[in-house]
Amino acid sequence: QQQVKQSPQSLIVQKGGISIINCAYENTAFDYFPWYQQFPGKGPALLIAIRPDVSEKKEGRFTISFNKSAKQFSLHIMDSQPGDSATYFCAASIGVWRNNNAGNMLTFGGGTRLMVKP
Amino acid sequence: EPEVTQTPSHQVTQMGQEVILRCVPISNHLYFYWYRQILGQKVEFLVSFYNNEISEKSEIFDDQFSVERPDGSNFTLKIRSTKLEDSAMYFCASSTHRGGTEAFFGQGTRLTVV
Repeated sequence: QQQVKQSPQSLIVQKGGISIINCAYENTAFDYFPWYQQFPGKGPALLIAIRPDVSEKKEGRFTISFNKSAKQFSLHIMDSQPGDSATYFCAASIGVWRNNNAGNMLTFGGGTRLMVKP
Repeated sequence: EPEVTQTPSHQVTQMGQEVILRCVPISNHLYFYWYRQILGQKVEFLVSFYNNEISEKSEIFDDQFSVERPDGSNFTLKIRSTKLEDSAMYFCASSTHRGGTEAFFGQGTRLTVV
């Protein structure tokens, strides 16, 4: 029930196209959904995140769409560029906004390796 | 831009040996984490640390693992007796808020157990 399932595992997109990566979860207690970008040899870097009280969040070319009833969320990369080629991970966390001192773990999806062709 | 730094970048150790992985979190962050990523697999949570104690740990984080913040700046992960299956990339992360929100990850330490 803690799993976050991510698809596709790999994605090839032409420059200028839209990259779409999907994630699904089971645990309705998740209340924070970030996306991380990871380049080879580097650690994951936070890209954009959403809370379940909004259905969409946009930052530049990156948009998260969130469907609470379907327990799904997706990352859209508009006007994809070769520099976007990386591995993308969705993640989820529980109880982030509760008022206590415990740190909460991020549960990551399996990752999507994106290649944007010039 | 402040960043999480990890040392060493690569560590090779013999099975059964102890290793200590070191991290310097971002200075005003209060929550600290260790994650690992076995080659080609997803990132997995190991442990979170707040106010000088473990706040949450996964089933991976067994008695062979321990964490410490010895001097107020470093945050270490110790593996007492390494196994072959401990070979992975280990990431330290820190955040100002709970729940890994806006967690910043280090570049990782690649641990190879031979």
